[in-house]
Order: sequence, then C-alpha cells, then structure tokens
Amino acid sequence: DGGITQSPKYLFRKEGQNVTLSCEQNLNHDAMYWYRQDPGQGLRLIYYSQIVNDFQKGDIAEGYSVSREKKESFPLTVTSAQKNPTAFYLCASKQVTQTSSYNSPLHFGNGTRLTVT
Amino acid sequence: QKEVEQDPGPLSVPEGAIVSLNCTYSNSAFQYFMWYRQYSRKGPELLMYTYSSGNKEDGRFTAQVDKSSKYISLFIRDSQPSDSATYLCAMRDGNNRLAFGKGNQVVVIP
Repeated sequence: DGGITQSPKYLFRKEGQNVTLSCEQNLNHDAMYWYRQDPGQGLRLIYYSQIVNDFQKGDIAEGYSVSREKKESFPLTVTSAQKNPTAFYLCASKQVTQTSSYNSPLHFGNGTRLTVT
Repeated sequence: QKEVEQDPGPLSVPEGAIVSLNCTYSNSAFQYFMWYRQYSRKGPELLMYTYSSGNKEDGRFTAQVDKSSKYISLFIRDSQPSDSATYLCAMRDGNNRLAFGKGNQVVVIP
C-alpha cells in the first residue's frame, strides 16, 4: 500500500540533544512537508521541499534542519536551538505536476510525538 | 484577525444527529478548500476537497463553500461514534500557500 511512514511514533530526548525524525513516502510525490501541531495552535509549517536537493523554510524553521537527498525521504532534525521542541510532528507529501500543482491535496503520515525533558 | 478561524469545540452530539462545522477566512485569494479528519494520535486524512462555491456531497458528508462570505462548512449526516475526531479545515491560495484552521473536536455519543 502506498503511503507515508513516520518513525518512531514516540520519541523521548533530553534537553540539549539533537534528534532526527524520519519520513519516507512511496507515493512517488515530488513535494514533501514538515508540520508541527500543538494543542490550540493548529498546523504550522516548518520546512518544505518541492524537488530533491532543494528545500525552503516555512513559518517556524528556527531550530530545525532538513535534507532531501532522495525523492522518497525527508528527515527532520530538531536541534538543541529549538526552544520548545515538545510537540506532535507531521510529515506530508503531494504530487506536483504542471496540471496538478495547485489542486492536489496533502497526504499526511501518522506523526511522531516528541517529548523533550 | 487570524487568517483562518475555526471554533475548536468540543462539539458533542447524539448518534444520528447532523454535525455542522464551519470555518471563516479573511484572505480572498484562497481558491481551494479542504476538510481533514484526524483521529487521536494519527495524522490528518483528507475528507473533502472543493475549489468552487456551492455544495459537494460524498456519502454522509457535504462540504459547502461560500466565497462571497468567506465561509466554508462541513456537514455530517447520520453521525456515528466512529465520526468522533478532530476536523480541520484547510485552504490554499494561488501561490500554493496552505493555511489550516485550529481544528474542531467532535464527539458523537452512542
């Protein structure tokens, strides 16, 4: 079955440590996204990538880094510079073509809940 | 004013009732409108997708868009306990920028 796999489902880290969240998709989608979801705040965009080896900052990129070395993979690193890293992190992807760029919806993974103490 | 406003609820209804959810928005550049359903500890899943004013039906679900009033709605007929979830509205402008509502928690009581 095609889909987006995020791992691990739960992650615990000590303050001051960097941590990398995995996101893999087999939908052959061009674009991939990382969102953060906090209670009462909705989804906020961290980083996105439209093609391999290229990515852009979203609305809350500070303290995060990404890479896009392969089409199917878009890992997110939460660095020690992120002041409030405890959150639910969602990875998403969508197809981007000349005809579908503006009307293809996002598909989400099942998220990683990160707790930093 | 937030770009997308959505009452977070929770909204509790008895089984079989009609659930009515809505979002308002301020940016007239939004052209595409989506509703996502999110179960606890899961990622959002796309429920409905529309790009024009009017109604769109899919089974028990109806999405309604009123661009003149900047108002979108989702109706769930004959609600079931399995409909208990958080429902997020989302909308996209011509520059492919996506904005989400905060989500509205729905509880359907058997």
